[in-house]
Amino acid sequence: QVQLEESGPGQVKPSETLSLTCTVSGGSIISYYYNWIRQPPGKGLEWIGYIYNSESTNYNPSLKGRITISADTSKNQFSLKLTSVTAADTAVYYCARAGRFSNAFDIWGQGTMVTVSS
Amino acid sequence: DIQMTQSPSSLSASVGDRVTITCRASRYISSYLNWYQQKPGKAPKLLIYSASSLLSGVPSRFSGSGSGTDFTLTISSLQPEDFATYYCQQTYNIIWTFGQGTKVEIK
Repeated sequence: QVQLEESGPGQVKPSETLSLTCTVSGGSIISYYYNWIRQPPGKGLEWIGYIYNSESTNYNPSLKGRITISADTSKNQFSLKLTSVTAADTAVYYCARAGRFSNAFDIWGQGTMVTVSS
Repeated sequence: DIQMTQSPSSLSASVGDRVTITCRASRYISSYLNWYQQKPGKAPKLLIYSASSLLSGVPSRFSGSGSGTDFTLTISSLQPEDFATYYCQQTYNIIWTFGQGTKVEIK
């Protein structure tokens, strides 16, 4: 049974870089689309981007070039880096898998709250 | 980007009611439409993919329909565990987008 788990700091200072990791257990990160999604407190879901086959990436242009998603196949992990953060980046960050059922997100991590604050 | 608009934004219903949520895409998306359920403090769960395919293990009271730009999620007989927020999502073009959500509350 495939499971995803996010990890990383719960607080980041403004203008710094937010770094999160998603560990995939029970399956390989090669094949399928592995995504990052975020949800500001009390608001809806925003797709951030994905990595496919551990190397091809696609990002939401609304995040204006601040995103990098990468994979470490030896650890079965993929990561998110978001630079120059502001309070608007405060959110619960989820990782999720897509590609088994069309491109729907069938497996999600539990989410991790990241607060941008000095 | 393709904008996804859900209606209503919230609704109140009773156990046993039939509930319909609509999702409209700003452009043609074929059947690349998915529905998720999210409860407070939890990650979303996939209910329906490709507009009308029910994920294994999801109760049959949930159904989806539509293609092109207009889609619906129907709960045939609302159960206590169905009170949640529902999101549609399109994966037709390379920028995947969600609707703003519909909160289903207890009347």
